[in-house]
Amino acid sequence: ETGVTQSPTHLIKTRGQQVTLRCSSQSGHNTVSWYQQALGQGPQFIFQYYREEENGRGNFPPRFSGLQFPNYSSELNVNALELDDSALYLCASSATSGSYNEQFFGPGTRLTVL
Amino acid sequence: QKEVEQDPGPLSVPEGAIVSLNCTYSNSAFQYFMWYRQYSRKGPELLMYTYSSGNKEDGRFTAQVDKSSKYISLFIRDSQPSDSATYLCGSYGQNFVFGPGTRLSVLP
Repeated sequence: ETGVTQSPTHLIKTRGQQVTLRCSSQSGHNTVSWYQQALGQGPQFIFQYYREEENGRGNFPPRFSGLQFPNYSSELNVNALELDDSALYLCASSATSGSYNEQFFGPGTRLTVL
Repeated sequence: QKEVEQDPGPLSVPEGAIVSLNCTYSNSAFQYFMWYRQYSRKGPELLMYTYSSGNKEDGRFTAQVDKSSKYISLFIRDSQPSDSATYLCGSYGQNFVFGPGTRLSVLP
């Protein structure tokens, strides 16, 4: 069974640029959630995708957007990068949505915005 | 008030000690409670989850939930240096909400 994978591992961008982060969900999982984890903080929920539709969103501006593909992999896009966007971006997958299911995290992508 | 609060530590204990990690939460809608362990520069790893009030044991780890006081605890018995990590408590109502994590160091 393959776990959650994310790419790239690290990324350095400058303010105002755009970035795309990628996630492959664990085998058999159709739900992907994205989190932002600033240094010394817990993960903050960005949004969730279930069967290619956004299914819940946290308190993040519209410049944070996402996609889920038919194979349940997912992308997180961030436009007009700001310095405060520097963080570890975590993807987590679960078997389904709508009720509690164990959620498994990937290793994360560390984004640095200069 | 944040939905899940947790003492960030750091907490240092000698090897073999019993460790107690605690969280409080504010949202009565939360029904599931979980603990994740996160090693430096890695993604969080699910340790265990519980539903509603009560205790759940898994090896050296015991999770405890008291819904009447909105209190979540994780106990680690016979702590090992390999337990050194950040421990995140989380709750689930409609989405997952996490505390800031407690950084634990177990000294040999």
